[in-house]
Amino acid sequence: DQQVKQNSPSLSVQEGRISILNCDYTNSMFDYFLWYKKYPAEGPTFLISISSIKDKNEDGRFTVFLNKSAKHLSLHIVPSQPGDSAVYFCAASGGSWGKLQFGAGTQVVVTP
Amino acid sequence: DTGVSQNPRHKITKRGQNVTFRCDPISEHNRLYWYRQTLGQGPEFLTYFQNEAQLEKSRLLSDRFSAERPKGSFSTLEIQRTEQGDSAMYLCASSLGGFRGRENTEAFFGQGTRLTVV
Repeated sequence: DQQVKQNSPSLSVQEGRISILNCDYTNSMFDYFLWYKKYPAEGPTFLISISSIKDKNEDGRFTVFLNKSAKHLSLHIVPSQPGDSAVYFCAASGGSWGKLQFGAGTQVVVTP
Repeated sequence: DTGVSQNPRHKITKRGQNVTFRCDPISEHNRLYWYRQTLGQGPEFLTYFQNEAQLEKSRLLSDRFSAERPKGSFSTLEIQRTEQGDSAMYLCASSLGGFRGRENTEAFFGQGTRLTVV
């Protein structure tokens, strides 16, 4: 039962342009959403999060947008840099324990 | 380094052997999670500790898997009679939560233990 879906397995973007990663969820009980970045052979690194009481959260080059009615969130990275090349995971949690449900990830490649 | 630490980083074992992994969370974090990740998939939840109490176990965690967190500090994950299907990256994460106004906070992950069962 895949409750968090990232339908784009890969994304290629030119350096300096905007990267937009999308994520959909099905469980209306989710109230906290996170994005993680992962390099090969390493654990996921926390990037940015958003609570369901907000519709936008910004941190430097990273902005997360939440559309609760559509059960959709997106991560914008601007400007994209070569070091942003990695797999990005969308994750969601609901309830009081913080257990995360992850999407399958989107491989981002930033080209010069 | 005050992040989440996992040992060993890599483990190769023969089918049928037992293996144990260790996770040292961020010291002030009361919550600890184990996840498993296979190629092309996102991490899948295995189990969760609030301090020393194991509060939830996934259906993925068969009887061959056991996890402990004595004294609410480090945690171990043991797999008995390993099978080739157990080959995966095992990830540990910790977070601080359950306090008024901050029910859930971001979880920080260790670098994982890569298990290969041959």
